[in-house]
Amino acid sequence: ETGVTQSPTHLIKTRGQQVTLRCSSQSGHNTVSWYQQALGQGPQFIFQYYREEENGRGNFPPRFSGLQFPNYSSELNVNALELDDSALYLCASSLSSLSPTEQYFGPGTRLTVT
Amino acid sequence: EDQVTQSPEALRLQEGESSSLNCSYTVSGLRGLFWYRQDPGKGPEFLFTLYSAGEEKEKERLKATLTKKESFLHITAPKPEDSATYLCAVQAAGGSYIPTFGRGTSLIVHP
Repeated sequence: ETGVTQSPTHLIKTRGQQVTLRCSSQSGHNTVSWYQQALGQGPQFIFQYYREEENGRGNFPPRFSGLQFPNYSSELNVNALELDDSALYLCASSLSSLSPTEQYFGPGTRLTVT
Repeated sequence: EDQVTQSPEALRLQEGESSSLNCSYTVSGLRGLFWYRQDPGKGPEFLFTLYSAGEEKEKERLKATLTKKESFLHITAPKPEDSATYLCAVQAAGGSYIPTFGRGTSLIVHP
């Protein structure tokens, strides 16, 4: 069974640029959630995708957008990067969005905005 | 608004010294409460899900309990490899499945 993978591991971008982060969900999981985790904080929910549709969104501006593909892999896109976007971005997959199932997290992508 | 408060923020224990971590929550209706372990620079690792008051779950040296207002993660005779940040999250009942995480408790176990 393959776990959740994310790419790239680390990324350095300049303020104003755009970035795309990628996630492959665990085998058999149809739900993917994205989180932002600043240093010393808990993960903050960005949005969730269930069967290629956005299924919930946290308090993040529209410049944070995403996609889920038919194979349930997913992308997180962030436009017009700001310094405060520097964080660990986590992807988590689960069997279903319809019940409080446990989520399995990837190792994260560390984004630094300068 | 759902809220999760974890205490203490940091905890240092000697190997073998048992203790408990607290997760207090405010939610309009609890669908589930989750505990995760997070090692530095890595993604959280799922530990437990609790659904209703009175429920308990165990895994090795860890035991999670749930009341209507809080959850405890009891660590019995911890070892240095138990050192990590422990995160608590709640998921509210209703139409939204958005989980709310606490800031975590950083645990260091000294040999």
